[in-house]
Amino acid sequence: QKEVEQNSGPLSVPEGAIASLNCTYSDRVSQSFFWYRQYSGKSPELIMSIYSNGDKEDGRFTAQLNKASQYVSLLIRDSQPSDSATYLCAVNIDRGSTLGRLYFGRGTQLTVWP
Amino acid sequence: GAVVSQHPSWVICKSGTSVKIECRSLDFQATTMFWYRQFPKQSLMLMATSNEGSKATYEQGVEKDKFLINHASLTLSTLTVTSAHPEDSSFYICSARTSVGNIQYFGAGTRLSVL
Repeated sequence: QKEVEQNSGPLSVPEGAIASLNCTYSDRVSQSFFWYRQYSGKSPELIMSIYSNGDKEDGRFTAQLNKASQYVSLLIRDSQPSDSATYLCAVNIDRGSTLGRLYFGRGTQLTVWP
Repeated sequence: GAVVSQHPSWVICKSGTSVKIECRSLDFQATTMFWYRQFPKQSLMLMATSNEGSKATYEQGVEKDKFLINHASLTLSTLTVTSAHPEDSSFYICSARTSVGNIQYFGAGTRLSVL
């Protein structure tokens, strides 16, 4: 069973604060990791992808990956009310193949209040 | 990012009818597309992998005869929900995978309501 676990929240932070979102996964062969943002009633949009251990920064977003601990996180700096959404962690489990299937966590609902 | 178009965005149908949903990659070729289903307050559940020119690969528990997938070209995959019933009401989302980086870009989704 491929499992991707996220704290469903809700996570509530004030504007300007750092929001920290966490995700753990059960399959050790997972190779690629993604964070998507989903607004209510809309489809997911890609925020970050990360493939190797360590940190990856893109603007206000930083993804962190630790394969030994099977843990991936997303930090949002200087949070804005427009960041309020559900954040989905997705893990690619098809090692060595071209299938590229993603398994998603249930998502963490983030609210940034002014 | 890449653009994926999904149509229709909303459909209401009577129980027993079939519904076809289209997914197109507009600015890149996608040999692989994916179909997901999402129930309220749940995550995306992968239904099947759509491969251009070959049969789709279905996830465990997904009825292939009920959810027909056709991927006839490098830019178009279709999902047909056959003999739809109220329990099939859900948000169906497609994605197309880029060849570089293995990144999936999603369509806007189709909200299906079966009466």
